[in-house]
Parts: sequence; structure tokens; C-alpha cells
Amino acid sequence: NAGVMQNPRHLVRRRGQEARLRCSPMKGHSHVYWYRQLPEEGLKFMVYLQKENIIDESGMPKERFSAEFPKEGPSILRIQQVVRGDSAAYFCASSRNQGTAFFGQGTRLTVV
Amino acid sequence: AQKVTQAQTEISVVEKEDVTLDCVYETRDTTYYLFWYKQPPSGELVFLIRRNSFDEQNEISGRYSWNFQKSTSSFNFTITASQVVDSAVYFCALSEAGSGAGSYQLTFGKGTKLSVIP
Repeated sequence: NAGVMQNPRHLVRRRGQEARLRCSPMKGHSHVYWYRQLPEEGLKFMVYLQKENIIDESGMPKERFSAEFPKEGPSILRIQQVVRGDSAAYFCASSRNQGTAFFGQGTRLTVV
Repeated sequence: AQKVTQAQTEISVVEKEDVTLDCVYETRDTTYYLFWYKQPPSGELVFLIRRNSFDEQNEISGRYSWNFQKSTSSFNFTITASQVVDSAVYFCALSEAGSGAGSYQLTFGKGTKLSVIP
């Protein structure tokens, strides 16, 4: 039962480094979503992608953050020049069409 | 704008007690979906249920039941005979399905942390 796979589960980066978070959607799902969960908060939408296309990035910070979902391979959320405020859990979800989104286990990013 | 409120930040119950988690939502759409997700201590998000706004029938799945009331904009979740394994943070979420743009976005409440004490 291959659900949404995210790696790494935990990532530690020093301020100024780059963080790359990977997400492989469930089999048959071509829609991918990224959410961020700050401590003691619910999840906030960041970006929605389909294969090779960004559909909606309205929740993504304008600088340092980018996302892609190439034709082959996982979706990548990239954070350049990380700062302490980027420390959070980043969740990826996938769906078939725009149905129910199933989430991965998340990547917990710690910036030191 | 859509909003989900989970007023209960933390709840503690003794094993085998029943517990209800409250969820109140706001939306201007007439067509929308409501969700509950569970986040156990291990951190993953587990999908529990999705209901659409036209289906007000209550649902029961084992020890879990959901009470959807459009009149009060509430979608409450009850766990009967709670068990230690039910200890988790539970999130209620909403997506507006009618408008198209942004309809896939989930708006989450802040979650309710449930602790079931043996």
C-alpha cells in the first residue's frame, strides 16, 4: 500500500543553506499539494502542482521558495537560504483529479 | 473567506469515555467539503472522512461518528469508548468546491489535541 512518500523525514539545515524536500504521490495521483505546519498551528496551503505545471502558488512566500513536479520523478519543494522562521513541518498531499487529498508523513525542517 | 474553528485546544478523557470534538466553519459557498484528519504522535496525517455540503446524513464508522449540521455550520466528531490509541491531534478542514479557483485548497482548523488516559 504505497501512500504518499516524503523524504527525508527530518532535515536539519544551518541558516543560509538550501533545503530540498521530496514527495512521491500515491500511484495514479497526478495532483500534488504542499502545506506547511508551524508549531501549534494547523496546516497552511502553499502550492498546488500537476505534472510539469504550477497551478496555484498563492500560499507560497514570494522569495526563496520554489516547487516543481517534473514529468519524471518526485515533486520537490526547495527553500533557498533558509532562516529560523522556516523551521516547520512540511506536508505533501496528492489526489486523483481534485478529490480527497491524502497526506504523506511530512518532513520536519529544523534550521539552526 | 473560509474559516474553520476548533475551539477546544486540548481535551483529556479517561479510557472508555466518549468524547466529542467540535468544529465550526464559515464559508460563502453553497457547495463545499468538510474533512477530519488525525495526526498521531508519530506525525503523519491520516484521512478520516470527507462529507459534501449536500449530504447532511450523520455517519458512523466503528467507534467514530460525525454529526454535520448546516444550520449551525458545525461538523462535530465523536469517539465512543475512547482508547489510548485515539490519542492524537485531530484537524477539521474545509474546501470550497463551487467556485473552481482555489477549490482544492484545504483550510484547516488549529486542531484539538486529545489525550486518552489509561
